[in-house]
Amino acid sequence: EVQLVQSGAEVKKPGESLKISCKGSGYSFTSYWIGWVRQMPGKGLEWMGIIYPGDSDTRYSPSFQGQVTISADKSISTAYLQWSSLKASDTAMYYCARPSIAARRFPSAFDIWGQGTMVTVSS
Amino acid sequence: EIVMTQSPATLSVSPGERATLSCRASQSVSSNLAWYQQKPGQAPRLLIYGASTRATGIPARFSGSGSGTEFTLTISSLQSEDFAVYYCQQYNNWPPQTFGQGTKVEIK
Repeated sequence: EVQLVQSGAEVKKPGESLKISCKGSGYSFTSYWIGWVRQMPGKGLEWMGIIYPGDSDTRYSPSFQGQVTISADKSISTAYLQWSSLKASDTAMYYCARPSIAARRFPSAFDIWGQGTMVTVSS
Repeated sequence: EIVMTQSPATLSVSPGERATLSCRASQSVSSNLAWYQQKPGQAPRLLIYGASTRATGIPARFSGSGSGTEFTLTISSLQSEDFAVYYCQQYNNWPPQTFGQGTKVEIK
């Protein structure tokens, strides 16, 4: 079964660092992009960025460039999303997702989603 | 960055009725448009990709149409499990592969 399993919920203080994970299984991890999507409480979906684990090519939305870092460790089929200094406004559900097609050139629609990681930032 | 605009924000429909949701792109995205369904407490689920191709396991009552800048998701006869929020997403021009703001389909 193809699946993405994300790390558990986090509660952090402003200024702290955080790295959440997304482990892929049931498919060739290096052949598909993996994207990250933010959903703030009661709000819509926001595309944050995407990584191709095969060569670590990473692209960011301008809205998130410099705010987060996306990485991947292909040896353990895991992608990461990290913050160096969290803000209260980072409180949200974060999803990883995989496109339906193994195309290096072009990520297609996301057909496999992780269960989400809730990040709460509060003093 | 391409802006995706969905309308209406909320659609009130009775079970068994037809629902028509719209999505407009600020510039052409060809047919690289997807629709997702999200229920409370769940991750989004892919319904349609390539503007009109149903994803695996999606019932035939869901259909997508359009190309360029204007797209439509139609649910032919709403079932109780279809009441949810629906998002469109363009994946033609990236980054970012932008989502619309969502349409909530609620019970009338």
